[in-house]
Amino acid sequence: AQTVTQSQPEMSVQEAETVTLSCTYDTSENNYYLFWYKQPPSRQMILVIRQEAYKQQNATENRFSVNFQKAAKSFSLKISDSQLGDTAMYFCAFMHPNTGTASKLTFGTGTRLQVTL
Amino acid sequence: NAGVTQTPKFQVLKTGQSMTLQCAQDMNHEYMSWYRQDPGMGLRLIHYSVGAGITDQGEVPNGYNVSRSTTEDFPLRLLSAAPSQTSVYFCASSYSSGGAGGAGNTIYFGEGSWLTVV
Repeated sequence: AQTVTQSQPEMSVQEAETVTLSCTYDTSENNYYLFWYKQPPSRQMILVIRQEAYKQQNATENRFSVNFQKAAKSFSLKISDSQLGDTAMYFCAFMHPNTGTASKLTFGTGTRLQVTL
Repeated sequence: NAGVTQTPKFQVLKTGQSMTLQCAQDMNHEYMSWYRQDPGMGLRLIHYSVGAGITDQGEVPNGYNVSRSTTEDFPLRLLSAAPSQTSVYFCASSYSSGGAGGAGNTIYFGEGSWLTVV
């Protein structure tokens, strides 16, 4: 079974600064997907970024980028130019892409990010 | 474009009562699933379905029942509610991308259903 670990329960960053959220995972599979989801106080689950394990290039989405280290099983999220609207819980999640397991995500426990003025 | 719709959004139940959380999606997605979110924890998978008529258990299935008679709907039933089932419930759906083993790599979540069992 896969496990996902987020070792930072809470983090704080000043507006316009850069912050990195950590995530490690454990799997014996070679092909899989990794995700970062944002959950604001409304509890809506918002997909931030997605990484396919067979792609060596790190995914980027505007101010969000990942550092994917497959050998180390590490998947950190970097938020550049932090904005007040980035304040939220952030969850790292793993999915193995076989038919029958699609839509089965394994989540970490989350990191609460506070962006301050 | 409705996406994934969950009802009700809020519900208070008494211990022992039964109820059904409804989930509907209008994207013709093959895959649907139910998660629960408890304080200090990420979402945990309760049940999932890979198509109409096919369901299977996730990580925390006890106390819950599901069925999938249509592609669009995936209701979650609590047969005899217990305080330990107080949680926020999320329904999700996805499609097969057709690549990498047929993975559904874009997962859409409903807005959540807050359930309190007293």
